Amino acid sequence: GESVGLHLPTLSVQEGDNSIINCAYSNSASDYFIWYKQESGKGPQFIIDIRSNMDKRQGQRVTVLLNKTVKHLSLQIAATQPGDSAVYFCAENIRAAGNKLTFGGGTRVLVKP
Amino acid sequence: GAVVSQHPSWVICKSGTSVKIECRSLDFQATTMFWYRQFPKQSLMLMATSNEGSKATYEQGVEKDKFLINHASLTLSTLTVTSAHPEDSSFYICSALDLSSMNTEAFFGQGTRLTVV
Repeated sequence: GESVGLHLPTLSVQEGDNSIINCAYSNSASDYFIWYKQESGKGPQFIIDIRSNMDKRQGQRVTVLLNKTVKHLSLQIAATQPGDSAVYFCAENIRAAGNKLTFGGGTRVLVKP
Repeated sequence: GAVVSQHPSWVICKSGTSVKIECRSLDFQATTMFWYRQFPKQSLMLMATSNEGSKATYEQGVEKDKFLINHASLTLSTLTVTSAHPEDSSFYICSALDLSSMNTEAFFGQGTRLTVV
């Protein structure tokens, strides 16, 4: 079946540098994408979302880019901080399918001081 | 954002017993809630969609008689793991849809760590 996948399982980044996390999706019917942050032993925490009719959205220190041509999603974190260390998941949503979320495999971000 | 509360946050049970996990939306009504299971170092896998007042919809491969879901009110869904076995040990997470939000955002509970011994 169709799924959402990630390229890199682990990303080590120096504190203060920018982080880029990538995600590939395969369902062209997905109309809404979300990035979540999950710390150990906790539930996913919403970071930022983007609709399929957009290609870029910015939040506080985070930017999500959507390239529908190649079905690629990325999350950019500016000036990465120790508190950003976590596992990051992308998820895709198809409203017509009852708003079920399909999660990617996850990328662990380790911030080095 | 809206708050979803899960209880308990962790539970240890003996093999063969049943365990009930509660998921509550604290400040909004949720006609739809979702239950996920997450094994260590893996992603969240959707188990079932819980709809208030109707039967849950289970994903392929999830045993409905083993994972009983009840969504009796607009703010509460429960997942009961019946006759639990060690292979059921996992992190169970619920989410609730807030249809009043512009993006129909899903809010997640803090998860329940189930260990079956």
